[in-house]
Amino acid sequence: AQTVTQSQPEMSVQEAETVTLSCTYDTSENNYYLFWYKQPPSRQMILVIRQEAYKQQNATENRFSVNFQKAAKSFSLKISDSQLGDTAMYFCAFMKQGGGANSKLTFGKGITLSVRP
Amino acid sequence: DSGVTQTPKHLITATGQRVTLRCSPRSGDLSVYWYQQSLDQGLQFLIQYYNGEERAKGNILERFSAQQFPDLHSELNLSSLELGDSALYFCASCLGWGHNEQFFGPGTRLTVL
Repeated sequence: AQTVTQSQPEMSVQEAETVTLSCTYDTSENNYYLFWYKQPPSRQMILVIRQEAYKQQNATENRFSVNFQKAAKSFSLKISDSQLGDTAMYFCAFMKQGGGANSKLTFGKGITLSVRP
Repeated sequence: DSGVTQTPKHLITATGQRVTLRCSPRSGDLSVYWYQQSLDQGLQFLIQYYNGEERAKGNILERFSAQQFPDLHSELNLSSLELGDSALYFCASCLGWGHNEQFFGPGTRLTVL
């Protein structure tokens, strides 16, 4: 079974600064996907960024980028130029490749990020 | 707006009761997933349907059941409710095989008193 660990329960960052959220996972799979989801106070789950394990290049989406270290089973999220709207809970998630019954998401416990004005 | 709808938004009921949560996936999506978010257990996968058939089961209690109908909407039935069933229940949908992005609905907040 896969496990996803987010060991930091809370973080705080000053507006316009950079913050990195950590995530580690455990799996015996070689092909899989990793995701970061954002859950603002509205409770809506929003996909922030995704990474395919077979890709060596780290994914980037505007101010959001990841540092994917496959051997270390580490998947951190970097948020640059933090904005007040980034205040939310962030979940790291794992999905096996292959679709069908493999396509469920396994989530970490989440980290609460607060952006200070 | 993800395109996934869930009703009702909030539900308050008593222990021992039965409720039904409804989900309409994005147009064209064949897969529907149900997740439970609680303070104790975090976000957990419950069950998946693909084009009307059950595909995978997670930590779903025997008191819970689900189905996906021919029009692809799905219902999650929770019976003999206990205080510990209070949670936010999410539905997510996905195109299907070979696609990995799941789009989440706004959730149904269930409170069992």
